[in-house]
Amino acid sequence: KAGVTQTPRYLIKTRGQQVTLSCSPISGHRSVSWYQQTPGQGLQFLFEYFSETQRNKGNFPGRFSGRQFSNSRSEMNVSTLELGDSALYLCASSGGDRGPNTGELFFGEGSRLTVL
Amino acid sequence: AQSVTQLDSHVSVSEGTPVLLRCNYSSSYSPSLFWYVQHPNKGLQLLLKYTSAATLVKGINGFEAEFKKSETSFHLTKPSAHMSDAAEYFCVVRGGSGNTGKLIFGQGTTLQVKP
Repeated sequence: KAGVTQTPRYLIKTRGQQVTLSCSPISGHRSVSWYQQTPGQGLQFLFEYFSETQRNKGNFPGRFSGRQFSNSRSEMNVSTLELGDSALYLCASSGGDRGPNTGELFFGEGSRLTVL
Repeated sequence: AQSVTQLDSHVSVSEGTPVLLRCNYSSSYSPSLFWYVQHPNKGLQLLLKYTSAATLVKGINGFEAEFKKSETSFHLTKPSAHMSDAAEYFCVVRGGSGNTGKLIFGQGTTLQVKP
């Protein structure tokens, strides 16, 4: 079974540009979550999508957005890039069904964004 | 609101000696707790999880953790460290109810294993 695939793995942008990152979850998983990892702030939750709907959202400005497609693949977009957006962006997938069953999140290897 | 605090940012042990990575949590209801490991330039991998069943949880690669409600702790241990255990370890609590993807991460503990 293929794992979580994130593309691109590395990218360099300049301030003011925008970027789109892609995540393909494990087959059959309906939940996709996004996290930002930086040395200063650690791992922070961005948002979660389940069945094409945003289910949870973290405390990030509106420049950060995402969406999920009917095949569960997800994209996140960051507009008007700032130097502080340089980070490793991690995607995680899970079955995502609500209820007491607390399933494991499976992480991709991340997309490392550098903003110059 | 849920939160986790990892008490050590860096732990150094010798190969073959025990490992203890400490984590305290705060949760307004019965928490789901996890330990994840991240090797350099890799994504995160689940080591183990606590979901209100047995308080002593066994994970992969010989790691285990004990949930202690009275101490609000979920410390990670391993009897004998291996060089391959050198990595970043994250204690995590699930935010929100049910099985959602919102995880709240501790700041991480870097484990160094000396030969």
